[in-house]
Amino acid sequence: QVQLQESGLGLVKPSETLSLTCIVSGGSISSYYWTWIRQPPGKGLEWIGYVYYNGSTKYNPSLKSRVTISVDVSKNHFSLKLSSVTAADTAVYYCARDADYGGIHFFDYWGQGTLVTVSS
Amino acid sequence: DIQMTQSPSSLSASVGDTVIITCQASQDISNSLNWYQQKVGKAPKLLIYDASNLETGVPSRFSGGGSGTDFAFIIRGLQPEDIATYYCQQYDNLPYTFGQGTNLQI
Repeated sequence: QVQLQESGLGLVKPSETLSLTCIVSGGSISSYYWTWIRQPPGKGLEWIGYVYYNGSTKYNPSLKSRVTISVDVSKNHFSLKLSSVTAADTAVYYCARDADYGGIHFFDYWGQGTLVTVSS
Repeated sequence: DIQMTQSPSSLSASVGDTVIITCQASQDISNSLNWYQQKVGKAPKLLIYDASNLETGVPSRFSGGGSGTDFAFIIRGLQPEDIATYYCQQYDNLPYTFGQGTNLQI
């Protein structure tokens, strides 16, 4: 059974960089897309971007200038960095597996989510 | 970006009812639509993929349909454990986008 677990600081100061890591266990990180999704308190879901196991990435244009997603196949984990954060970046951040079956994409495994608060 | 509009935003139903949630895309997305269930304090859970395919292990009272711009998600025989917020999500074009959610209460 594939499991994902987010880790990282839960409190980040404005203008600093948010950093999170998602550890994948119970399966290989190879041959899948790995995604970050966030949810501000009481609001809906926003796709941040994904990294393919070979390192190629796609980002949401709304965040593209501030986002970096990377993968470490040897450690079976992938990471998110979001720079120049503001209070609007306060959210629960989820990592998820984006399964691609012949062009059909869906998020079939999710981490439990981690709340990141941006505050001085 | 493709905008996904869910209706209604919230609804109240009784155990045993049939519930229908609709999702409209701002442009043709073929069958490229998934449905998720999110319970309070939990991560979303995939229920339906590719508009009408039931994820393994999901009860058969859940179903989905539609194509193009108009989609429906149906729960037949509502159960107390179905209290949750439901989201549609398109994957036809990047960025992937979600509907605003439908809060289902019993």
